Amino acid sequence: DAGVTQSPTHLIKTRGQHVTLRCSPISGHKSVSWYQQVLGQGPQFIFQYYEKEERGRGNFPDRFSARQFPNYSSELNVNALLLGDSALYLCASSDYQPGNYGYTFGSGTRLTVV
Amino acid sequence: AQSVTQLGSHVSVSEGALVLLRCNYSSSVPPYLFWYVQYPNQGLQLLLKYTSAATLVKGINGFEAEFKKSETSFHLTKPSAHMSDAAEYFCAVSKGGYQKVTFGTGTKLQVIP
Repeated sequence: DAGVTQSPTHLIKTRGQHVTLRCSPISGHKSVSWYQQVLGQGPQFIFQYYEKEERGRGNFPDRFSARQFPNYSSELNVNALLLGDSALYLCASSDYQPGNYGYTFGSGTRLTVV
Repeated sequence: AQSVTQLGSHVSVSEGALVLLRCNYSSSVPPYLFWYVQYPNQGLQLLLKYTSAATLVKGINGFEAEFKKSETSFHLTKPSAHMSDAAEYFCAVSKGGYQKVTFGTGTKLQVIP
């Protein structure tokens, strides 16, 4: 089975631009979460979606938005990019099955804002 | 709010020596605790998780962690370090199995030949 897949793997954008990051969860997983990992820090929670509904939002500005599609894949959108948005963006999926707690992470998208 | 504190941003051990990575948590409710490992330029891989079933949790690659409520700790250990263990390790906490996960700042493990 394929794991969590994220695209693209690397991206360079200019300040003020918009970016869309994509994530496909493990087959059968209905929940997707997004995390931002700035260099040298632990991942920070951005969003969680389950069955296409937002279930949680971290402390990020409104420039960050996300959605989940009927096939459970997800997009993270960031508008008006700032230099500080440069980070590794991680997607994680879970199947919400009791006893199988925990998330499986993708390899991430490395976003560089110049 | 939940949080974890990882003591030591860098830890060095000799190959074959004991690995001990420290993590203390703060939680207003019984926590779910996790250890993840991250190799360079890769995502996070789940090493092990505590979900109240047993205080001593065994994970992959020979790692284990013990939940100690009295000490609010969840330290990660491995009896004998291998060169392939060199990576960054993150302790994490959650209020529930599918609640958001709060990560520590990470500990980079260096294994010296």
